[in-house]
Amino acid sequence: DAKTTQPNSMESNEEEPVHLPCNHSTISGTDYIHWYRQLPSQGPEYVIHGLTSNVNNRMASLAIAEDRKSSTLILHRATLRDAAVYYCILRRGSGNTGKLIFGQGTTLQVKP
Amino acid sequence: GAGVSQSPRYKVAKRGQDVALRCDPISGHVSLFWYQQALGQGPEFLTYFQNEAQLDKSGLPSDRFFAERPEGSVSTLKIQRTQQEDSAVYLCASSLGGAAGGKSDTQYFGPGTRLTVL
Repeated sequence: DAKTTQPNSMESNEEEPVHLPCNHSTISGTDYIHWYRQLPSQGPEYVIHGLTSNVNNRMASLAIAEDRKSSTLILHRATLRDAAVYYCILRRGSGNTGKLIFGQGTTLQVKP
Repeated sequence: GAGVSQSPRYKVAKRGQDVALRCDPISGHVSLFWYQQALGQGPEFLTYFQNEAQLDKSGLPSDRFFAERPEGSVSTLKIQRTQQEDSAVYLCASSLGGAAGGKSDTQYFGPGTRLTVL
């Protein structure tokens, strides 16, 4: 399975935008890029996913590089409730049970 | 609506005891996954069910770990003769589609069961 690389931790101020980077230089053409986050003492929750084009939803935006070797999760206005561990995950498009391969993720701290 | 539920939320076991952890997935979800999360680490895949069929158990760490989903709904993860290294949070997740739809299918996680083996 292709691997992702994320910074261990990041800090942000409340109500400011946050850009969480992810490198996935060995991504294959059929790999989807998924982001999940895990709030303290909770199970992970889905944030967003994409294949080639940038994606927006109510939680965040996902910007995917043209060569697909990196992506950025964008939280437009961080709130204290966004403090969590953010995981960037590649999911193979075929021949896969759909299992998620989590890395260490990025721990996001949001300062009031 | 009801999400994925897990019980018990906390379990303390003495080394050598058997434990059973329950997962109630979202109604109608075909796929069910179990993950193990050690303290300070990301979750690690244990096993996968499509309905009642266990299609992937490659992540189970030893033959002391056993999972079942006999009617394609509720699942139980059983750990026999627990060891201290089994201490972790055990997460269950479900998704609507089967393996064919796995490439983009969202997984919904339960709150986990925190197992402590003394």
